[in-house]
Amino acid sequence: ETGVTQSPTHLIKTRGQQVTLRCSSQSGHNTVSWYQQALGQGPQFIFQYYREEENGRGNFPPRFSGLQFPNYSSELNVNALELDDSALYLCASSQTGTWYNSPLHFGNGTRLTVT
Amino acid sequence: AQTVTQSQPEMSVQEAETVTLSCTYDTSENNYYLFWYKQPPSRQMILVIRQEAYKQQNATENRFSVNFQKAAKSFSLKISDSQLGDTAMYFCAFMKPAGLNTGTASKLTFGTGTRLQVTL
Repeated sequence: ETGVTQSPTHLIKTRGQQVTLRCSSQSGHNTVSWYQQALGQGPQFIFQYYREEENGRGNFPPRFSGLQFPNYSSELNVNALELDDSALYLCASSQTGTWYNSPLHFGNGTRLTVT
Repeated sequence: AQTVTQSQPEMSVQEAETVTLSCTYDTSENNYYLFWYKQPPSRQMILVIRQEAYKQQNATENRFSVNFQKAAKSFSLKISDSQLGDTAMYFCAFMKPAGLNTGTASKLTFGTGTRLQVTL
């Protein structure tokens, strides 16, 4: 079974630009969550998608948006980038109803640098 | 809102020795789950061990075990027979289960992490 894959691994953007990060879920997983991990901090929950709809959101502004596709892959979009958006963005997938026995499986993340 | 506190930013242990990482949390919930995740330089979060709050028995996974004190809201991780491959950031995390299509996600709330260095 394939794990969670994220692309790109690294990205450099300029303040004010827009960025799209991509995530392919682990096979059989239908729920995707995104986390932001600033340097030296623990990950913070951005939002979760289930059946192509947002199912819960953390304390992030609307310029952070997402999509989930029929194959359960997902995108994280960030508009009007700010310097504080520089972080590691982690995608995690899980299988509905078995999240405890098969909890979140994380990808290796995308390192975003905003200059 | 739940909070998770890890008061040890860095720790060091010699190979084959035992080390304990501390974690406290704050919640008004009665039903929840606690986790320890490991993040090596590869950046991937790897689940180490998990504990259900309603279970009094402490979870164990090979060399990893926890000391779960619900009343004290404490959840420490003990690593026995430390190995060089255990070198990583360790994060304690809390999860309150939630239903799907409710607008409330089963999200993890993480602490700030403890950097563990295993030395020869």
